Amino acid sequence: AQSVTQLDSHVSVSEGTPVLLRCNYSSSYSPSLFWYVQHPNKGLQLLLKYTSAATLVKGINGFEAEFKKSETSFHLTKPSAHMSDAAEYFCVVSDNDMRFGAGTRLTVKP
Amino acid sequence: DTGVSQDPRHKITKRGQNVTFRCDPISEHNRLYWYRQTLGQGPEFLTYFQNEAQLEKSRLLSDRFSAERPKGSFSTLEIQRTEQGDSAMYLCASSSLMNTEAFFGQGTRLTVV
Repeated sequence: AQSVTQLDSHVSVSEGTPVLLRCNYSSSYSPSLFWYVQHPNKGLQLLLKYTSAATLVKGINGFEAEFKKSETSFHLTKPSAHMSDAAEYFCVVSDNDMRFGAGTRLTVKP
Repeated sequence: DTGVSQDPRHKITKRGQNVTFRCDPISEHNRLYWYRQTLGQGPEFLTYFQNEAQLEKSRLLSDRFSAERPKGSFSTLEIQRTEQGDSAMYLCASSSLMNTEAFFGQGTRLTVV
């Protein structure tokens, strides 16, 4: 059975500093992995996806994630946080259906 | 095509009543998912369809919940004898192929009073 663990429920950074949101996954097969973002009272939006091509994946709004099979991780990063990045972020694993992590709330301080 | 649409957007019902939600996926998407999300939590998987076939149903889903996708297009999710614990946002998503990204609707917010 597949599952996702997001290691931090809340991350707080200052504007202009790097962002790191951590995700570990468990899957029987070679999964596809995704990061979604959910702004308050908004729908879920895809940030980026990994589907067994390049291990470093670039997404929208300057976000990146690196697939590390040996560590079963898919951490999300951004070099410089912006106020508009404040939102809830979900790591998702899919090897048939799609399973979400519990989410990480990102706060960006001015 | 404007994406995944869900109807209604909000539903308030009395405990014990039945409710039905509808999801219209993106045209030609053969996969359709239902999730439930409560405040401060990630979306919880309920069930998914490949065309009209329901391929998996969460064990967390009680017998009061049923979903259909009769012609492989729109889907309905019915909750019978609603309970206060059913209050949540119910999300629908669709995708074109296995393991490609899913596109989400705005959700149906259910409040059971």
